[in-house]
Amino acid sequence: AQTVTQSQPEMSVQEAETVTLSCTYDTSESDYYLFWYKQPPSRQMILVIRQEAYKQQNATENRFSVNFQKAAKSFSLKISDSQLGDAAMYFCAFSNSGYALNFGKGTSLLVTP
Amino acid sequence: DTGVSQDPRHKITKRGQNVTFRCDPISEHNRLYWYRQTLGQGPEFLTYFQNEAQLEKSRLLSDRFSAERPKGSFSTLEIQRTEQGDSAMYLCASSRPLAGGRDGYTFGSGTRLTVV
Repeated sequence: AQTVTQSQPEMSVQEAETVTLSCTYDTSESDYYLFWYKQPPSRQMILVIRQEAYKQQNATENRFSVNFQKAAKSFSLKISDSQLGDAAMYFCAFSNSGYALNFGKGTSLLVTP
Repeated sequence: DTGVSQDPRHKITKRGQNVTFRCDPISEHNRLYWYRQTLGQGPEFLTYFQNEAQLEKSRLLSDRFSAERPKGSFSTLEIQRTEQGDSAMYLCASSRPLAGGRDGYTFGSGTRLTVV
């Protein structure tokens, strides 16, 4: 079974600063997909960024980027120039060949002015 | 298309009653997923459809739970003889094949079930 571990229950960052959220996963597969989802207090999950395991290049989406280390099974999310609207629960998730997502327990991100 | 819709947003029911939730996915998504999320936890996979076929069920999906997607469009999740432990947010998601492509999986706002 695949497992996803987020070791930071809570993180805090000041506006305009950079924060990195950690995620590790365990799988025996070589082809898979990794995701970061944001869940604001309104509770709707929003896709932040997606990474295919076969791609060595790290995915980026505006202020969001990942550090994907396949050998180490690590998939961290970096948020640059943090904004108040970035405050939310962030979930790391794994999908094996496009089926169901396995989620970590989440990291609560607090952004302070 | 306005995204994944779930109805109702909130449901309070007495223990032992049956409840049914509905999910309307994005029209061009052929895959539909149900998840359960309890407070402080990440969503847990329940079941998955490709078109009208239910292809995978989690062991979390006890005999009291049943899901359908009769015409490959909307889906329903029914819980029979509800228990207090069923209280949770029930999330629906839809996607294209191959992990949703660039769009990933799109989630609805969820149905919050409270069993009293």
